[in-house]
Amino acid sequence: GAGVSQSPSNKVTEKGKDVELRCDPISGHTALYWYRQSLGQGLEFLIYFQGNSAPDKSGLPSDRFSAERTGGSVSTLTIQRTQQEDSAVYLCASSSIRDTEAFFGQGTRLTVV
Amino acid sequence: AQSVAQPEDQVNVAEGNPLTVKCTYSVSGNPYLFWYVQYPNRGLQFLLKYITGDNLVKGSYGFEAEFNKSQTSFHLKKPSALVSDSALYFCAVRDTGLNSGGYQKVTFGTGTKLQVIP
Repeated sequence: GAGVSQSPSNKVTEKGKDVELRCDPISGHTALYWYRQSLGQGLEFLIYFQGNSAPDKSGLPSDRFSAERTGGSVSTLTIQRTQQEDSAVYLCASSSIRDTEAFFGQGTRLTVV
Repeated sequence: AQSVAQPEDQVNVAEGNPLTVKCTYSVSGNPYLFWYVQYPNRGLQFLLKYITGDNLVKGSYGFEAEFNKSQTSFHLKKPSALVSDSALYFCAVRDTGLNSGGYQKVTFGTGTKLQVIP
């Protein structure tokens, strides 16, 4: 596609449920990032995928968070047993060596009630 | 490890006055530097980047940024602020040092809220 696509755009879930957030990066981009942004706040790095290398998971806040990137393209961020503090906008971005800058999706707004 | 610092959580400026949003960085090699803007309830939009060459980089909406290697800074500037420039601004860096290989990870600063006062 023309840009980074994230789905769903909004998700409301009950505390304790699992959620999956999807990111479709720009075709051909080898790097993919997940960030979290609380209301009006900065970006919190979660995880970074680079080609076939082992992902940089250093930003995942707990073992309830995990992410996969299948076939070097689509990525899924999974949050298990959601808590109210998980409520935030989850942003995905992708980049390539040639383009240098990262391109962001519109984000998924997650609300845990 | 690469890092970015945006020392000001918020910058207030009167409409028509020049604005500066500060950014300093730390990398092992040569940096690629970026500025992004986020308008309320919107995603992050790319503003400008420094890769190599002229230290003064011009970007969208009349913004520019100056790369200063000795001060490891990349401050965002605009000669005359508009109320519509009010937004959250993020500085970012990517390391191109020899040890970075094909590593493309971009590290973002914590963001600076710019408020332009009419």
